[in-house]
This record gives sequence, structure tokens and C-alpha cells, in this order.
Amino acid sequence: SQQGEEDPQALSIQEGENATMNCSYKTSINNLQWYRQNSGRGLVHLILIRSNEREKHSGRLRVTLDTSKKSSSLLITASRAADTASYFCATDPSRDDYKLSFGAGTTVTVRA
Amino acid sequence: EADIYQTPRYLVIGTGKKITLECSQTMGHDKMYWYQQDPGMELHLIHYSYGVNSTEKGDLSSESTVSRIRTEHFPLTLESARPSHTSQYLCASRRGLNTEAFFGQGTRLTVV
Repeated sequence: SQQGEEDPQALSIQEGENATMNCSYKTSINNLQWYRQNSGRGLVHLILIRSNEREKHSGRLRVTLDTSKKSSSLLITASRAADTASYFCATDPSRDDYKLSFGAGTTVTVRA
Repeated sequence: EADIYQTPRYLVIGTGKKITLECSQTMGHDKMYWYQQDPGMELHLIHYSYGVNSTEKGDLSSESTVSRIRTEHFPLTLESARPSHTSQYLCASRRGLNTEAFFGQGTRLTVV
């Protein structure tokens, strides 16, 4: 099975609200990354957080990482219709391996 | 703008045909990846490469094969396509560990 699992599977919010999604993983990691996918096209990288970091910000995005619980969360503040997309977490294993494994994703719908 | 390209974008072929999906990147990245994704579903890693002449199988067993003769090129081949191969195939590349991956726009394959 995949390294990362997202929760919830789907999320519907009103424009201006915050969206929070979670990712859990199974083995030790070097870093955890979040990506966005619009309408089944290629993925776009959003943010990378290393295993020794606990929180990271990028614009309206806030990512936290709890390595003791093997989990991460992505918060999108003040959501916009353009944030409607699927969001995936991906992990780099801690051993010397370049495999990049993705979770199942969270589909976010922002209603105008 | 990511410099990674996949061709064709869409392909409809008959059962039993041999096909090659092309993926090229101009960023000089050593690490390249192939993922399979059904609509609205998770990404499954099927092949990856550390560099020239290196290929590895991913998490999902696949009947496809890959080659890496040049840094910039990572084609995926299906010797005999079947309806079960109908899916979207996404190619990605990155410089190394702890770096972001860049994705192509994908090839949507339909086998009839």
C-alpha cells in the first residue's frame, strides 16, 4: 500500500473558510511534500517540510509535521474558488532511496 | 514552468498493440518516475530511475517496462496493451532527495 494516507477523502467548504487535511505515513521519512492536482492533470509542488522541521508556511499554506505520530497536516487559509483541486502528500523514505510515494489525496471543493 | 513533457497526451489503441509513452525533461534531473492514476484516485508508483542505466520497480506491479539510456529521456513501453491498462500515466523528475518533483501533463491511455 502507499506510504501516505490522506484524510478526509473529500472536503467541501465555502469561499473564505479554512481547509484542513491530514496525511499519515508508515515508515521513517526524510521529508514530506504536498502537491496539488487540478482536473486530473499533472501535479504541482506546494511545499516541502523536512523531518527535523515542525511547521512551515508558504503564503496561505501552513504545514505541520509530527514525526512521533507519523502525520502531517495542510491548512489552506481564506480559501478561494481557485483552490478547488485534489491535494496529495508524498514522502521520501529515510534510507538511501529516491522512491517518492504518494497517498490517496483529498479532493477539496470551494463553493463561491 | 516545468520543462518536462509527455507525449502523446491522449491515446486510444486496440488490444494487443505495443505502445511507448514518451517522457522527456530538459532540467538535467537524475531521478525520474512513472505513476499510474485512475480518475480521482491515488497515484501508484510503477517505475523509477536513479540515473542513466538504472531502473527500479515501484510499489504497484506493472506489465510495463522502462529504459533510461539518456538522462533526459524515460520512456515506458507496454508490449501488448490490454483494457486493464486503461489509465492515466504521469511522468515526473527531480534533482535528488529533499527536492521537489516536477510533473508532466500526463498521458491518458484507453485500450479498447
